[in-house]
Amino acid sequence: AQSVTQLDSHVSVSEGTPVLLRCNYSSSYSPSLFWYVQHPNKGLQLLLKYTSAATLVKGINGFEAEFKKSETSFHLTKPSAHMSDAAEYFCVVSGGGYSTLTFGKGTMLLVSP
Amino acid sequence: ETGVTQTPRHLVMGMTNKKSLKCEQHLGHNAMYWYKQSAKKPLELMFVYNFKEQTENNSVPSRFSPECPNSSHLFLHLHTLQPEDSALYLCASSRRTAGGGNEQFFGPGTRLTVL
Repeated sequence: AQSVTQLDSHVSVSEGTPVLLRCNYSSSYSPSLFWYVQHPNKGLQLLLKYTSAATLVKGINGFEAEFKKSETSFHLTKPSAHMSDAAEYFCVVSGGGYSTLTFGKGTMLLVSP
Repeated sequence: ETGVTQTPRHLVMGMTNKKSLKCEQHLGHNAMYWYKQSAKKPLELMFVYNFKEQTENNSVPSRFSPECPNSSHLFLHLHTLQPEDSALYLCASSRRTAGGGNEQFFGPGTRLTVL
């Protein structure tokens, strides 16, 4: 069984300040972990993925995430927020073997000028 | 066209209508998925197809009928829907369903409204 918990439903930041979106996961297997972003009225876009290689994963648009097995966390960060980062972000886990993706409930990122 | 495309982008239908949603992927993937995204609810996986064979059906009501004629095309046939079926329906594809290459690529979705 696998599950994912996104700890914040909404995060508000000012443009130019750091972004932290928190995610904890549970998986019976060595997981693959993903972050997706969804802009209004659009589909989901893959930001980055972790698949048991380096624990610090760099993605598109300056985002990165660190896999911490001891904390079962996969938090998403960005040093400096941009207005275009305002969107909903989904943390996703996939377990071993035949396994579909399990999505978190999403975190809405609001960026103010 | 590149990536995953979905048509129509918007659909309004009555409860007695029959309509179909279409998804096409141009990525050479072998697996395709239908998801339902409702307001304030997590993304719900509906169906999974792997090499044209349905491998997962998450207790979806029979008023939703999927069809996968080949690895590039996926349809969702709709009939006698209920207002609570109004949602964004997302199609996705991936190279595999598990292991490396199972990251999914999503289409833009079809916004469905049932009156």
